[in-house]
Amino acid sequence: DAGVIQSPRHEVTEMGQEVTLRCKPISGHDYLFWYRQTMMRGLELLIYFNNNVPIDDSGMPEDRFSAKMPNASFSTLKIQPSEPRDSAVYFCASSERAGGYEQYFGPGTRLTVT
Amino acid sequence: EDQVTQSPEALRLQEGESSSLNCSYTVSGLRGLFWYRQDPGKGPEFLFTLYSAGEEKEKERLKATLTKKESFLHITAPKPEDSATYLCAVRPGGGYNKLIFGAGTRLAVHP
Repeated sequence: DAGVIQSPRHEVTEMGQEVTLRCKPISGHDYLFWYRQTMMRGLELLIYFNNNVPIDDSGMPEDRFSAKMPNASFSTLKIQPSEPRDSAVYFCASSERAGGYEQYFGPGTRLTVT
Repeated sequence: EDQVTQSPEALRLQEGESSSLNCSYTVSGLRGLFWYRQDPGKGPEFLFTLYSAGEEKEKERLKATLTKKESFLHITAPKPEDSATYLCAVRPGGGYNKLIFGAGTRLAVHP
């Protein structure tokens, strides 16, 4: 299996622009998670889906952030408008109930907002 | 409030010098404690899951143990390639499938 795939790997954008991060989970996994990692706050869960349905979005910082999962093999995290404080590494992870819920992470997208 | 605290923040070892990393937790109804390894510029890599006090898991030079309040990651005779950040996470009760991560321990093993 190719593992969790994320794109782009790096994104540099200007404040106010829309940013879309993409994730393809491991085939067969029924949970998908979006995390943000910074030096100050560590690894924070933003939102997670089960069978394409959002279950817990309490970690989404504000209305500028939105996430969708239109099918079992694709998810997006959108920031509109972006701000410099959104600069971080964003990870996508997936897991399966049958596997004991271990989460497998993608390589991350490093976002820089200037 | 569910909480995970890892210590030390950073650890420097000589090659072959065994040591332990600590993960203490406060959680309502633990449904699993997870250890991950993260290399610079990469996503966390799953290592172990522990479910109950007294459980142990081993992988090469690493052994993870669990008590009711904390977990240890023992590193025996480490090598430079063991240098990484080690993250601990807990899965609390309550019907949600989410992990709460600690801040991690940065391990540097020098030859």
